[in-house]
Amino acid sequence: AQSVTQLDSHVSVSEGTPVLLRCNYSSSYSPSLFWYVQHPNKGLQLLLKYTSAATLVKGINGFEAEFKKSETSFHLTKPSAHMSDAAEYFCVVSEGAGNNRKLIWGLGTSLAVNP
Amino acid sequence: DAGVIQSPRHEVTEMGQEVTLRCKPISGHNSLFWYRQTMMRGLELLIYFNNNVPIDDSGMPEDRFSAKMPNASFSTLKIQPSEPRDSAVYFCASSPMGVSEQYFGPGTRLTVT
Repeated sequence: AQSVTQLDSHVSVSEGTPVLLRCNYSSSYSPSLFWYVQHPNKGLQLLLKYTSAATLVKGINGFEAEFKKSETSFHLTKPSAHMSDAAEYFCVVSEGAGNNRKLIWGLGTSLAVNP
Repeated sequence: DAGVIQSPRHEVTEMGQEVTLRCKPISGHNSLFWYRQTMMRGLELLIYFNNNVPIDDSGMPEDRFSAKMPNASFSTLKIQPSEPRDSAVYFCASSPMGVSEQYFGPGTRLTVT
């Protein structure tokens, strides 16, 4: 069965500095991987997705993630943090095939951005 | 596109009362998911439907919880009777058939006193 581990529960950065949110996955075959973002008291928004095309995936708001099969990682990065990036970030792997697919969620990483 | 619509956005009720949460998926999406989010347990999948048929309800915590999808544009999650430990944010999400990514509604914040 698939699983996802987000290596940091909390990350704090200064505005203008790089962001790195780490995620490792476990999958028996080529997975579909996602990052979702949840701003305070808001719903969940898809940030980006990897579905076996290019290994470097670009998402919204300047975020990107690189799929590294050898390391079973899908870390999320952004060159320069903005105050509005403060949110909860979830790494997600898709389980199942065809019409029976579920998402397996990491526990989330809370990103704080300091002025 | 209006996105996934959930109602109510906030619900406060007393223990023992029946609670009904509603969801309208994105038009054309064939799969619908109900999640619960709490600080203690994070995001949990409760149940999902494909073409209005429940596929996996293994996440439904107890018989007090039930979900229906009478047609392609409407689903309900009912808790009867409600208990304080049911307090959480309940999200509905939808996706096109065979597509992995899901699109979420704004959630319903349920407080059971």
